[in-house]
Amino acid sequence: QVQLVESGGGVVQPGRSLRLSCAASGFTFSSHAMHWVRQAPGKGLEWVAVMSYDGTNKDYVDSVKGRFTISRDNSKNTLFLQMNSLRVEDTAVYYCTRGCSLEWLLIDSWGQGALVTVSS
Amino acid sequence: DIVMTQSPDSLAVSLGERATINCKSSQSVLHRSSDKNYLAWFQQKPGQPPKLLIYWASTRESGVPDRFSGSGSGTDFTLTISSLQAEDVAVFYCQQYYSTPQTFGQGTRLEIK
Repeated sequence: QVQLVESGGGVVQPGRSLRLSCAASGFTFSSHAMHWVRQAPGKGLEWVAVMSYDGTNKDYVDSVKGRFTISRDNSKNTLFLQMNSLRVEDTAVYYCTRGCSLEWLLIDSWGQGALVTVSS
Repeated sequence: DIVMTQSPDSLAVSLGERATINCKSSQSVLHRSSDKNYLAWFQQKPGQPPKLLIYWASTRESGVPDRFSGSGSGTDFTLTISSLQAEDVAVFYCQQYYSTPQTFGQGTRLEIK
């Protein structure tokens, strides 16, 4: 079955960088768009970024544009999120999620999440 | 950006009773060429990631019990649980995937009365 396993979370100071990875298995990774969605502690869900199946299209929520970069390595079934210039308000659980084969913007599977804490 | 607003924020329903959650979008999420509403519902149980319940506003994801149903079109949508079970306690989110940035409602917490 679909498995999405995030890694790379941790505690980081404001202004520093962190890179999240997501190892995918149980499906043909190179056929699906992939997204990152985050959830601040005790709060709701916020979509962060999407990358098309082949990496040619990507988009971000305005609050991370210019600071975060989504990328993927289809040869290694891995999705990445490079987070630079981190802010306290970026503190959240970051979920790696899969786009549905029917519609790339529809999210149909979620990982367990990786906690990123931005604090001095 | 499309703003999604859910009501109520929280809801307490007796076991076996009906639960209804509403979701309103600030603009239509009906794609005229496909005649599909780009609206999904997710369930998030405590300590777990969200799970897709409903997409295209009314299509149940595989494996989702048929007590869950979705309805609505354009800007107004409803998630209904026909007979509440104890395992349905969760926070429910609607989400539009009509355009980026995809946006979620603020969530509705469902509890047992």
